[in-house]
Amino acid sequence: AIRMTQSPSSLSASAGDRVTITCRASQDISDFLAWYQQKPGEAPKLLIYIASILQSGVPSRFSGSGSGTDFTLTISYLQSEDFATYYCQQYYSYPLTFGGGTKVEIK
Amino acid sequence: QLQLQESGPGLVKPSETLSLTCTVSHDSIESGPYSWGWIRQPPGKGLEWIATIYYGDTTYYNPSLKSRITINVDTSKNQYSLNLSSVTAADTAVYQCARGYCRGSSCPTVYFDSWGQGTLVTVSS
Repeated sequence: AIRMTQSPSSLSASAGDRVTITCRASQDISDFLAWYQQKPGEAPKLLIYIASILQSGVPSRFSGSGSGTDFTLTISYLQSEDFATYYCQQYYSYPLTFGGGTKVEIK
Repeated sequence: QLQLQESGPGLVKPSETLSLTCTVSHDSIESGPYSWGWIRQPPGKGLEWIATIYYGDTTYYNPSLKSRITINVDTSKNQYSLNLSSVTAADTAVYQCARGYCRGSSCPTVYFDSWGQGTLVTVSS
């Protein structure tokens, strides 16, 4: 199975900050990577697919980049509603696997 | 707008079978290029993919759970189901159903573009 490693596992930031989360795959997954946002008690929400394509309705302050094994999710100007946990997921091959998550907390 | 809703018992005894149903609303479970999946999240932990099924009964299972999983589609009810046998406390989790999107060269693998709210299943005697 392809292992997905996210870093950091948590971070503290203030509203208005630029935040970058990293996801590394244990092998080349091309650009078959998705990012999700999950708030406590809620279902995950798809933010980005094909590594950099924004899902409809997702604010443009979110962006994704990368290919191969290294990927990033950037929130350019953190808003209060962005405090959540973020997960990456590879869909290059089965079994589908997720990163361990990055919790973005209020500083 | 598509809605998915999980249903099933919230408490299951060890060694028994966990059975959940996902009801799909405002879209047909037969529509492509979608598949239908189950993902779980143990309390305080991350996401684990369990299984995916396409209409027409092509299925993909997590190898770590494969021997214990059955997943089926009921098109007459626009539902799909998950059975996980021989459960232990390690199977305690929030179980979520989700629609998988199969896009071009990535098929048959998917990312999940719509999720149910999730249902907590506790394994305990």
